[in-house]
Amino acid sequence: GENVEQHPSTLSVQEGDSAVIKCTYSDSASNYFPWYKQELGKGPQLIIDIRSNVGEKKDQRIAVTLNKTAKHFSLHITETQPEDSAVYFCAPQRGETSGSRLTFGEGTQLTVNP
Amino acid sequence: DTEVTQTPKHLVMGMTNKKSLKCEQHMGHRAMYWYKQKAKKPPELMFVYSYEKLSINESVPSRFSPECPNSSLLNLHLHALQPEDSALYLCASSPRPRELAGGRIQQYFGPGTRLTVT
Repeated sequence: GENVEQHPSTLSVQEGDSAVIKCTYSDSASNYFPWYKQELGKGPQLIIDIRSNVGEKKDQRIAVTLNKTAKHFSLHITETQPEDSAVYFCAPQRGETSGSRLTFGEGTQLTVNP
Repeated sequence: DTEVTQTPKHLVMGMTNKKSLKCEQHMGHRAMYWYKQKAKKPPELMFVYSYEKLSINESVPSRFSPECPNSSLLNLHLHALQPEDSALYLCASSPRPRELAGGRIQQYFGPGTRLTVT
């Protein structure tokens, strides 16, 4: 099965700084690379994703970069705000069909200090 | 409507009780999932239903019994649970395969049921 490692496990930044979280995976057949954000008391919510035919994708202050050769992808958050404080999970996935297994990384607790 | 709803929000049950968790979505998704999440840990997959049929069971103890009565509903029946089963139980859904071509395989999560077994 997929072996997923996520670093760092905790990250504390000052408001306005950038934050980067890295996810390394083992399954070379993985072709879909999402990042989920889980706020306290809520379920995880997708914030950005990338497919294996794309190297980078941006959505306002967040971006995801993919290095398929090295089998890692990263979440970049710029101009961090206190509401970015949450746990972030990567979840690389193989397969085009619904019902595919989703293996989460261990999570990164991001704290943005005002 | 892009929402997955779960009831109840909180549940406290004794080890001899029988209870059920409910999950509902009206997005036309044909894959639905149950996850268990312990504090400070990622969600762990328990079951996957695809087109109302159980397609993945991650060797979950039989005291957890899933049911998918129709394409919008997913239940998790609980019986004779142990204190270590206390956790947040998350339901999720994802689209039908023909909607995935060129698109994302996003899972939509509900807010979860916080279960405490005493």
